[in-house]
Amino acid sequence: AQSVTQLDSQVPVFEEAPVELRCNYSSSVSVYLFWYVQYPNQGLQLLLKYLSGSTLVKGINGFEAEFNKSQTSFHLRKPSVHISDTAEYFCAVSADAGGTSYGKLTFGQGTILTVHP
Amino acid sequence: DAGVIQSPRHEVTEMGQEVTLRCKPISGHDYLFWYRQTMMRGLELLIYFNNNVPIDDSGMPEDRFSAKMPNASFSTLKIQPSEPRDSAVYFCASSVLAGGNEQFFGPGTRLTVL
Repeated sequence: AQSVTQLDSQVPVFEEAPVELRCNYSSSVSVYLFWYVQYPNQGLQLLLKYLSGSTLVKGINGFEAEFNKSQTSFHLRKPSVHISDTAEYFCAVSADAGGTSYGKLTFGQGTILTVHP
Repeated sequence: DAGVIQSPRHEVTEMGQEVTLRCKPISGHDYLFWYRQTMMRGLELLIYFNNNVPIDDSGMPEDRFSAKMPNASFSTLKIQPSEPRDSAVYFCASSVLAGGNEQFFGPGTRLTVL
């Protein structure tokens, strides 16, 4: 089985500042990793995903994340945030093959990013 | 593609009434998921299907909840009888195994039980 820990429940930042949202996972098998964003009163949208290859993944809206297998982390970063980035962000993991949880995502508890002017 | 479609978008009902939430997954997707989101408990997986067959319903809170998927293009989540603590936003999502199991979410149904 997989588990995901998002280390910060809330992250306040000022506009144009850099931000990092932290995510650690545990799994006994190889995994795929995802970041989703949820704007107020909306469903979840995919920001980016890591399947294989380069450990630095670029997503929409200027976000990127780096997969670190040795530290079992997949932190999300953006060099300069905007007010419109205010949302809740979810890290998620899925097994790449087999197992009882194959086919489903395990989500973290979410991090609320609030960007202040 | 229209994406995942959920109906109704909002539902207000009284305690004890039956509630049925509906979901149409993206065509060609063979996995379908039902989630519940509340402030207190966050995002919870209730049940998921593969090729219309329920795979894991361990997240269904109690016998008042049931889900069906009679065909590849339709699923329902039913609550009978409903209780105020069922008030939440219910999301449906669908996926295929190719592409790392990325899930596509619907807009959600906001359920209020009075």
